[in-house]
Amino acid sequence: GAGVSQTPSNKVTEKGKYVELRCDPISGHTALYWYRQSLGQGPEFLIYFQGTGAADDSGLPNDRFFAVRPEGSVSTLKIQRTERGDSAVYLCASSFAQETQYFGPGTRLLVL
Amino acid sequence: GDSVTQMEGPVTLSEEAFLTINCTYTATGYPSLFWYVQYPGEGLQLLLKATKADDKGSNKGFEATYRKETTSFHLEKGSVQVSDSAVYFCALRGQGGSEKLVFGKGTKLTVNP
Repeated sequence: GAGVSQTPSNKVTEKGKYVELRCDPISGHTALYWYRQSLGQGPEFLIYFQGTGAADDSGLPNDRFFAVRPEGSVSTLKIQRTERGDSAVYLCASSFAQETQYFGPGTRLLVL
Repeated sequence: GDSVTQMEGPVTLSEEAFLTINCTYTATGYPSLFWYVQYPGEGLQLLLKATKADDKGSNKGFEATYRKETTSFHLEKGSVQVSDSAVYFCALRGQGGSEKLVFGKGTKLTVNP
């Protein structure tokens, strides 16, 4: 079946701009996660949804970052006033209940 | 807070060599432990996992045993292949509360023919 998909695969933006990153989880998966991976580092947790609600947003670095999952399926990660330090690969994962997390291919964000 | 420390790479081996990638963790209680692998140009994939002390996870010839006494989850393979070249990440999921994964920094493995 289809895995986790993320769009766009690459995004180049200018400092100060607003960006949206989209994640389509595996059908039927109730949980959805966002991670950020900087070059040479492991993924770092940002936020986790159980259904439509954010169960844990403790990893969001500041109030420029926000994520939604209005219908309990697709999620959008939103970054306002982007900074060069936001450049990274943004990974989305989904799981059914507390089972294995399946990762998407990521969105590579470059802020110039 | 919870953390994972894994051996720094890169690691370069010849085909059929024995592989060990060390991983230790800091967490309260009994976390679940995972090894994920990222092949070149591909996304993260679960390689194996163990959810309680003394459990052994295994897949594709790789093994790791959950050692509570040493807070370790070292990855081993008896005979590596060129196709095992990838970046390997050790991760934990804390007991109770959030389902988030905490990852190590990753170890890049290159296997030469």
